[in-house]
Amino acid sequence: EAQVTQNPRYLITVTGKKLTVTCSQNMNHEYMSWYRQDPGLGLRQIYYSMNVEVTDKGDVPEGYKVSRKEKRNFPLILESPSPNQTSLYFCASSSTGRAPYEQYFGPGTRLTVT
Amino acid sequence: AQKVTQAQTEISVVEKEDVTLDCVYETRDTTYYLFWYKQPPSGELVFLIRRNSFDEQNEISGRYSWNFQKSTSSFNFTITASQVVDSAVYFCALSDPYGGATNKLIFGTGTLLAVQP
Repeated sequence: EAQVTQNPRYLITVTGKKLTVTCSQNMNHEYMSWYRQDPGLGLRQIYYSMNVEVTDKGDVPEGYKVSRKEKRNFPLILESPSPNQTSLYFCASSSTGRAPYEQYFGPGTRLTVT
Repeated sequence: AQKVTQAQTEISVVEKEDVTLDCVYETRDTTYYLFWYKQPPSGELVFLIRRNSFDEQNEISGRYSWNFQKSTSSFNFTITASQVVDSAVYFCALSDPYGGATNKLIFGTGTLLAVQP
């Protein structure tokens, strides 16, 4: 089954404790991206990757890091989480080409930073 | 700058009513793509439709239909004979014109649709 998986689905942590949210897709997609969803703000892009070893900042990259060492994986790293990073996070993937294809989203990771 | 506005924060209807969710977008690009996604209470995001700016034909898929009007920069979504299972947050999104750019989706703030039995 074609899917994007994220782990963990739920995470409660404390300020400053480094964490990683994993994302994996099995569709051989070149493009992967991270979004955060906050009430009243919709979804905003954090980082994206057009292919292996190619990553770039989205609209709200501060406080986050990513890496793309393999095509299928795109982990999101919070080196020193803060309460304002409490949010619902989605990983997405899609094919690339002249036209933007629909993005497939993971199930989401709900992060609470206390 | 690109922007998507979903002015309806919440809509409540009774089952079997028709309901239209509004989406207004802003872009200076002549080529662009519009999307609708559904987020049910379980939280995942489900792709519903993609439409490019050159195709202004309305689209119908079962009880769902979409009305794209370039003249008013709107891409509205209508659910006919709504059902309780349609209860969800619906997001409209606008994309960069070419996938070779950021492939970023600009999302609206979403409309929460509650369908009462």
